[in-house]
Amino acid sequence: EDQVTQSPEALRLQEGESSSLNCSYTVSGLRGLFWYRQDPGKGPEFLFTLYSAGEEKEKERLKATLTKKESFLHITAPKPEDSATYLCAVQGLDDYKLSFGAGTTVTVRA
Amino acid sequence: AAGVIQSPRHLIKEKRETATLKCYPIPRHDTVYWYQQGPGQDPQFLISFYEKMQSDKGSIPDRFSAQQFSDYHSELNMSSLELGDSALYFCASSPPVRGGDTQYFGPGTRLTVL
Repeated sequence: EDQVTQSPEALRLQEGESSSLNCSYTVSGLRGLFWYRQDPGKGPEFLFTLYSAGEEKEKERLKATLTKKESFLHITAPKPEDSATYLCAVQGLDDYKLSFGAGTTVTVRA
Repeated sequence: AAGVIQSPRHLIKEKRETATLKCYPIPRHDTVYWYQQGPGQDPQFLISFYEKMQSDKGSIPDRFSAQQFSDYHSELNMSSLELGDSALYFCASSPPVRGGDTQYFGPGTRLTVL
């Protein structure tokens, strides 16, 4: 069974203070690793898809990287509007469902 | 850009009642997924449909059923509701490219069972 572990559970940052979120995964074969952002009571908002080790994707202040065992979401110079829960999910080769981690809740203070 | 539409957005039911949740995928998306997210939990996969056929099945209770229609919209039918069914129910859709499909989520239906 696919497993995803995210750390830390919560992260409090000062505006401009860069940091990284970790997503460790176990899957028999990786079809794709996905990062989503979720605001309270809303649906997950797609950020990135990574398919193979060494791949990197960037969007504004966010950068996602992938190795064979984990992925990192780097937040550079965050702003208060980056406050949200960031979810990591994997999709194995056996099917197309997403298996999610518990998420990292990021709070950015002005 | 058009997004996934879910209705209703909020639903309040009594125990043992039934509920029907509807999902309208992004235009030209042919695969629909249903997820359940309990309070403070991550989304859990329930069931999915590809080209109107059930494709994958997760931890969906026998009291729940779902289908995808000819226009690709999907409905999740929930019977004999229990207090523990209170949760956010998300629908996601993906485009007709099999392999590493990105799933785009709707705003969710918040179901409260009293």
